[in-house]
Amino acid sequence: DAGVTQSPTHLIKTRGQQVTLRCSPKSGHDTVSWYQQALGQGPQFIFQYYEEEERQRGNFPDRFSGHQYPNYSSELNVNALLLGDSALYLCASSLNQGAQPQHFGDGTRLSIL
Amino acid sequence: AQSVTQPDIHITVSEGASLELRCNYSYGATPYLFWYVQSPGQGLQLLLKYFSGDTLVQGIKGFEAEFKRSQSSFNLRKPSVHWSDAAEYFCAVGLGGSNYKLTFGKGTLLTVNP
Repeated sequence: DAGVTQSPTHLIKTRGQQVTLRCSPKSGHDTVSWYQQALGQGPQFIFQYYEEEERQRGNFPDRFSGHQYPNYSSELNVNALLLGDSALYLCASSLNQGAQPQHFGDGTRLSIL
Repeated sequence: AQSVTQPDIHITVSEGASLELRCNYSYGATPYLFWYVQSPGQGLQLLLKYFSGDTLVQGIKGFEAEFKRSQSSFNLRKPSVHWSDAAEYFCAVGLGGSNYKLTFGKGTLLTVNP
């Protein structure tokens, strides 16, 4: 039973570029959430997708956008990259059925030069 | 706004000693409560969760946590620490019903001495 998988593992970009990160949820899960974890900090909620729509959003600018596909996989897009966007980006999946825990992938380490 | 406080940034214990990691939250109602562990360069692994019911919950790897409503706390405990437990531990609260988002504390780094 595959868990949450994220790609790529590492990514290096320069300021002003855009990036797309990908996530495949755990088998049987239909909800995907994205978090940003800066060095030495706890993860911060970016947004959550369910039924191909953004359901909740944290305090992140519009440069951060996402998408969910019919197979429940998801993408996180970040435009006009800033140095401060350097972080570990974590995807979490869960089942939208009562109270269910979120399961995390290993993340994508994004470095901005 | 809701918040999660982990008062201890770094804790060092000897292998075989007991462990307690503290977590306090600020929220008007009872949230969902979680402890996750993160090894260097890795994602988060769920140790245990509290949604309702028995306030003492058992998790994986011999960990347990107790929800105390009066103290708004959800402390993590382990009776005997193993060297492999060295990692960073995050307390998190989930708010918003089944569509909850997680709010995390800043984490506690655990070092285990041989």
